[in-house]
Amino acid sequence: GQQVMQIPQYQHVQEGEDFTTYCNSSTTLSNIQWYKQRPGGHPVFLIQLVKSGEVKKQKRLTFQFGEAKKNSSLHITATQTTDVGTYFCARRETGANNLFFGTGTRLTVIP
Amino acid sequence: DVKVTQSSRYLVKRTGEKVFLECVQDMDHENMFWYRQDPGLGLRLIYFSYDVKMKEKGDIPEGYSVSREKKERFSLILESASTNQTSMYLCASSFGGGRRNTIYFGEGSWLTVV
Repeated sequence: GQQVMQIPQYQHVQEGEDFTTYCNSSTTLSNIQWYKQRPGGHPVFLIQLVKSGEVKKQKRLTFQFGEAKKNSSLHITATQTTDVGTYFCARRETGANNLFFGTGTRLTVIP
Repeated sequence: DVKVTQSSRYLVKRTGEKVFLECVQDMDHENMFWYRQDPGLGLRLIYFSYDVKMKEKGDIPEGYSVSREKKERFSLILESASTNQTSMYLCASSFGGGRRNTIYFGEGSWLTVV
């Protein structure tokens, strides 16, 4: 398959600690998107990265796209219980219509 | 707001039954997708469609077929359900072409095959 690898698969953190999930591809990506899925819910779009070396922030969330456009990361500063869920990256190949999702990182935040 | 509606939230079917999962979107999206989600495997693309009557295979099309007779509706068909098709199925849609292709998901359909 063409899945994008994400690490770690699971992460438990104390509330207030930071959290990072990584997305790695063996091929160059045209763009990468990040989604969050709350327990029992469906994935919701967070952000899209397109440019090499791009960094975008949403409050406590920082998204990075690698210089070689082969990897990406999502970093959460000072996690809160509302951050609980599974975070997916998704990639689209140039000229393609479909997205291929990563395996996801499931985050648990311990109060 | 974009709405993607899946017809059934929970289904229980017997092995060998024909199963239809229906999905409707109200945003005039060109693209529609069917994924399945399993623990440890993330989201895997089964089929997608970029136009009426058009379809393309994703990562795991075996055992499934799809139908897109109208732009707003995309159906997933299990011709003869098997226990290894017990899973959560997610429908999604997005704009096509050069427009931003954020994917919007339905609530999911939990299928159990016994």
